[in-house]
Amino acid sequence: EADIYQTPRYLVIGTGKKITLECSQTMGHDKMYWYQQDPGMELHLIHYSYGVNSTEKGDLSSESTVSRIRTEHFPLTLESARPSHTSQYLCASSEYSGGGETQYFGPGTRLLVL
Amino acid sequence: SQKIEQNSEALNIQEGKTATLTCNYTNYSPAYLQWYRQDPGRGPVFLLLIRENEKEKRKERLKVTFDTTLKQSLFHITASQPADSATYLCALPTASNSGYSTLTFGKGTMLLVSP
Repeated sequence: EADIYQTPRYLVIGTGKKITLECSQTMGHDKMYWYQQDPGMELHLIHYSYGVNSTEKGDLSSESTVSRIRTEHFPLTLESARPSHTSQYLCASSEYSGGGETQYFGPGTRLLVL
Repeated sequence: SQKIEQNSEALNIQEGKTATLTCNYTNYSPAYLQWYRQDPGRGPVFLLLIRENEKEKRKERLKVTFDTTLKQSLFHITASQPADSATYLCALPTASNSGYSTLTFGKGTMLLVSP
């Protein structure tokens, strides 16, 4: 098991609420990522970070924002949740190993917006 | 950007047989290719990485091949077991707009191993 943690695991909230999904890793990795995945669909990269104070938007447009104030912590925030945000959110960190970047994923947060 | 194609239909095999999954990609040739396993409701788990100059890589019952001419990787599980049932994802490095490299994942192929 990778040392990467996500909370909460499940979240049901009403439209318009502000939420923050937490992600922490204890492996000291500089690179961290947020993915969105709907059931039976591929992973879509929504945000990534290459170190403290560095964040970039991914391939999939997202209304969420992220911050990276500490190496181990990469929270994702939705200012005003909508039903279209219902999905599974996966956090990952990576290290260079064996000739490429290997990603380690957290268990995910399953979000349901009513 | 990299486009990855994996068979969207589930692969059903009997225990003890060899499962073979395919990953095809377009556009540029990547420096390496990875395979991950994903169980329902959980995050993917890294299995194997194969570099462009490697034709084949093995790890226990797993074997990966990488044909850069065909732009294809094959993922084999020998002596398959019901516990191998999962979705297997192919992943390739992709240059992002920021200049850094990220991973693009395929949609995955579900493998079902029956006793």
